[in-house]
Amino acid sequence: KAGVTQTPRYLIKTRGQQVTLSCSPISGHRSVSWYQQTPGQGLQFLFEYFSETQRNKGNFPGRFSGRQFSNSRSEMNVSTLELGDSALYLCASSLGGQVQETQYFGPGTRLLVL
Amino acid sequence: AQSVTQPDIHITVSEGASLELRCNYSYGATPYLFWYVQSPGQGLQLLLKYFSGDTLVQGIKGFEAEFKRSQSSFNLRKPSVHWSDAAEYFCAVASPEYGNKLVFGAGTILRVKS
Repeated sequence: KAGVTQTPRYLIKTRGQQVTLSCSPISGHRSVSWYQQTPGQGLQFLFEYFSETQRNKGNFPGRFSGRQFSNSRSEMNVSTLELGDSALYLCASSLGGQVQETQYFGPGTRLLVL
Repeated sequence: AQSVTQPDIHITVSEGASLELRCNYSYGATPYLFWYVQSPGQGLQLLLKYFSGDTLVQGIKGFEAEFKRSQSSFNLRKPSVHWSDAAEYFCAVASPEYGNKLVFGAGTILRVKS
């Protein structure tokens, strides 16, 4: 089975712009979670989607949003980019979104905001 | 709220030596505990996880971890380190009470010297 894929892998934007990142989960997985990784704050949970519904949300401003499509692919959007949004954005998928299930991570999208 | 502490930011060990990476968690009930590894430029890979039962769990790549409730610890060990083990290691905790959300420690960077 193919693993979790994320596109694009690298992205450079300027302050004030918006960006959309994409995540394709492992085939058959219905849960997709997003995490932000920065040197200062480490790995932080953004949100989780299951069957097209946001099921859980981390402590991020409303500029961060996401959605999930019927094929379980997910996108996250960041509007009005700030310098501090520069980070590695990781998505993870799991079969049914149960806590005990293994979450499989993609390679991430590295976003640089100038 | 859940929290995870990895007290060692960097650890250097010689190839062939044993390894122990420390992890302490803060949570009221028995949490679900995980260890992930991240190689440079890569996503996270699950090494092992603990939910219940035998407190010594075996993982991939020769790693094991021991859950100690009295110490709120979940330390990762490997009897003989290989140069390819050089990476960053993350301890994480989750709980059904908080949904399918992983709370990560700050990570420990492992360097292996030959």
